[in-house]
Amino acid sequence: SAVISQKPSRDICQRGTSLTIQCQVDSQVTMMFWYRQQPGQSLTLIATANQGSEATYESGFVIDKFPISRPNLTFSTLTVSNMSPEDSSIYLCSATPSGGPETQYFGPGTRLLVL
Amino acid sequence: KQEVTQIPAALSVPEGENLVLNCSFTDSAIYNLQWFRQDPGKGLTSLLLIQSSQREQTSGRLNASLDKSSGRSTLYIAASQPGDSATYLCAVNRNNDMRFGAGTRLTVKP
Repeated sequence: SAVISQKPSRDICQRGTSLTIQCQVDSQVTMMFWYRQQPGQSLTLIATANQGSEATYESGFVIDKFPISRPNLTFSTLTVSNMSPEDSSIYLCSATPSGGPETQYFGPGTRLLVL
Repeated sequence: KQEVTQIPAALSVPEGENLVLNCSFTDSAIYNLQWFRQDPGKGLTSLLLIQSSQREQTSGRLNASLDKSSGRSTLYIAASQPGDSATYLCAVNRNNDMRFGAGTRLTVKP
């Protein structure tokens, strides 16, 4: 299993600013992911955070808006850039310990409100 | 493209009742299916994982079944309690490409 923490847990930000969300896993994991959950909706995958290389983004998400870093096997960051009220969501980090399709473990999420 | 549907969208039951949540998916070529619980404003807690070769998984009062050929899964909750009130999400996984349903919001009334 994997225990995942996220910082901050919540934030209120002004339009046009950027916020970096941190995700820390208590053990080395192969795969890390970032999801967005807009109000009243289910989760949508933003990107897969690849260790040592550029993230793989899903359709509709771009690196300039959501730059992602993954410097090692236990840590990743997601930045929400040039924020607008439409970016108000819960952002969740997840991980799978090994490379195969198995249980995904999720962090508690970061609740973002953009004014 | 994989589409995941959950029915009903919301469900309210009295305490003690047994209930079934439904999940359907359009592409049966999956590796596994996972049921999650999400409390308001919180992250996801994994409840049960069913591999594509399995038919069901049980944990306490929860039982999840999988019929891959028909693209269906159910989550059975026995003897429901107010603490079971939450949103329940199902997600199908193919090679770490995980697709979520919109969830069923469950309320268990004391």
